[in-house]
Amino acid sequence: DAGITQSPRHKVTETGTPVTLRCHQTENHRYMYWYRQDPGHGLRLIHYSYGVKDTDKGEVSDGYSVSRSKTEDFLLTLESATSSQTSVYFCAISDGHRGGSEAFFGQGTRLTVV
Amino acid sequence: GDSVTQMEGPVTLSEEAFLTINCTYTATGYPSLFWYVQYPGEGLQLLLKATKADDKGSNKGFEATYRKETTSFHLEKGSVQVSDSAVYFCALSGSGAQKLVFGQGTRLTINP
Repeated sequence: DAGITQSPRHKVTETGTPVTLRCHQTENHRYMYWYRQDPGHGLRLIHYSYGVKDTDKGEVSDGYSVSRSKTEDFLLTLESATSSQTSVYFCAISDGHRGGSEAFFGQGTRLTVV
Repeated sequence: GDSVTQMEGPVTLSEEAFLTINCTYTATGYPSLFWYVQYPGEGLQLLLKATKADDKGSNKGFEATYRKETTSFHLEKGSVQVSDSAVYFCALSGSGAQKLVFGQGTRLTINP
């Protein structure tokens, strides 16, 4: 299994508080991604990174920020959590060396905003 | 932009039935196509992929053929098992962009 770890696995937080989710990889892959999974929507890309300090927005980036200061860590921050951000969040990694590169996914973080 | 459309679920079948889950896509250029599977409580894992037109991806008895003329990548299995119960996602990775675009997922339940 690819070495990718998400933390925490579960979190309950209050509306308006900041929340940071962490993704850690041991594969030295260049690309890292944050997705959210919601019923009826599949997985939607929030942000992704193509190198240290190189990030870009996905289709649902509003209310989220990311940082990647080291190859192995990719942080997702909800600046002021809202109930609409209750979701399951997945981190993924890919080496991106060629077309059709496989993405490996973490186990997910279930976030509940109350 | 790029998009993926999957047949809506949920899909319920009896063991040993034939399975088809439809997937069509919209993309510029020549995307790579994937099927991912998610078992309960787990992350997604790659089931199969195809990187160019007419390629057939296969794994664990599942198959899908990259059809450029119909922009489709339908998932098939000749005889499903209870252990195939999961959520299946069709996805694409556009040429030049290293990010996956997913369909909405299809929940499959196989009854014994």
